[in-house]
Amino acid sequence: ELKVEQNPLFLSMQEGKNYTIYCNYSTTSDRLYWYRQDPGKSLESLFVLLSNGAVKQEGRLMASLDTKARLSTLHITAAVHDLSATYFCAVYSGAGSYQLTFGKGTKLSVIP
Amino acid sequence: EAQVTQNPRYLITVTGKKLTVTCSQNMNHEYMSWYRQDPGLGLRQIYYSMNVEVTDKGDVPEGYKVSRKEKRNFPLILESPSPNQTSLYFCASSLLLRGSRSTDTQYFGPGTRLTVL
Repeated sequence: ELKVEQNPLFLSMQEGKNYTIYCNYSTTSDRLYWYRQDPGKSLESLFVLLSNGAVKQEGRLMASLDTKARLSTLHITAAVHDLSATYFCAVYSGAGSYQLTFGKGTKLSVIP
Repeated sequence: EAQVTQNPRYLITVTGKKLTVTCSQNMNHEYMSWYRQDPGLGLRQIYYSMNVEVTDKGDVPEGYKVSRKEKRNFPLILESPSPNQTSLYFCASSLLLRGSRSTDTQYFGPGTRLTVL
């Protein structure tokens, strides 16, 4: 059974600071997804990481993927209040299955 | 506008009364999926479909049914709802990627908040 673990689950940080969210998964996969969910809203796609060593950046967010370590990171640079949201990573189970497993999410609060 | 729509957005019902939540997408996506979101548990996949008449179970399929008779529609059916199915439900769709056992990123519907009394 595929396990996807995110940490931390809750993160409170001051504006202007840097921090990293971690996503570990238990099976081989060549593709990992990051999503953002604002309170009371649906999910929107942030990044699709396609291969080992992939790095993608959008504004103050940068995501990377290490398939050998089965680890993805979402790095936040100089946080601003608008980044307050819950962030999810997701991975397919592999082995011929299209079942998608999400981490429990990291709730980020950026404090002025 | 490319979108995934769900109806109803809010539903309060009673135990045992059959209900259907509809999901429709206008992007010609092969892959469609249903999730439930519960506090502290994140999103859990209920069922998914790779194309018309092709469906498979996700993590939590018990108590749910789906059908995929048309490419654009993927309704979620609760034959006999129970209080533990009170949740926020999301439908999503995406393109299948040829040569890879995965999909492009998923587009999510706005969600359906279901309460079963």
